[in-house]
Amino acid sequence: KQEVTQIPAALSVPEGENLVLNCSFTDSAIYNLQWFRQDPGKGLTSLLLIQSSQREQTSGRLNASLDKSSGRSTLYIAASQPGDSATYLCAVCFGGNKLVFGAGTILRVKS
Amino acid sequence: DAMVIQNPRYQVTQFGKPVTLSCSQTLNHNVMYWYQQKSSQAPKLLFHYYDKDFNNEADTPDNFQSRRPNTSFCFLDIRSPGLGDAAMYLCATSTMALTYEQYFGPGTRLTVT
Repeated sequence: KQEVTQIPAALSVPEGENLVLNCSFTDSAIYNLQWFRQDPGKGLTSLLLIQSSQREQTSGRLNASLDKSSGRSTLYIAASQPGDSATYLCAVCFGGNKLVFGAGTILRVKS
Repeated sequence: DAMVIQNPRYQVTQFGKPVTLSCSQTLNHNVMYWYQQKSSQAPKLLFHYYDKDFNNEADTPDNFQSRRPNTSFCFLDIRSPGLGDAAMYLCATSTMALTYEQYFGPGTRLTVT
């Protein structure tokens, strides 16, 4: 069964800290991997998409890496801000244009 | 701006009373998806359309139906909502070209009383 796991489930950090969110998946034969942000009661905002042929993608203070052989991806957030507080979801496309989501990491950045 | 729109944003229905949720898109994407997300859980795919081809997930209850009258619109019908159907319903789109990236709407929060 194709599964996506995110660790930790919740994270609280002081403002300004760099942090890493982890995502692991059970099948290395992936098509792509997306990181999303979800604010409470809202929809999903796409942050970064990494194709299976890529190792990383960067957008502003965000950097996502992909290691297919080990079944892992990380989302690195530099110089965290209170506005970064949200749930971060990792989703993997194993094929067939369908995404399998992890349960998310709830991030709180304290000012 | 090209986008995915969901209406209404909040819907309250009574137990057993049919309800329809709406999704529209201006991205001209040929794939549209409906996800159900319960509190503190991962979004769960209910079904998706590839153009007019309907693809149901094996574990989607029969109580959930969908219609896609044209490229821009897709509807989620819940025939007899139960208390367990209270959730956020998310619509997404993608294109079969290039990256297969999915774009999500803001969601509809469904409450069943």
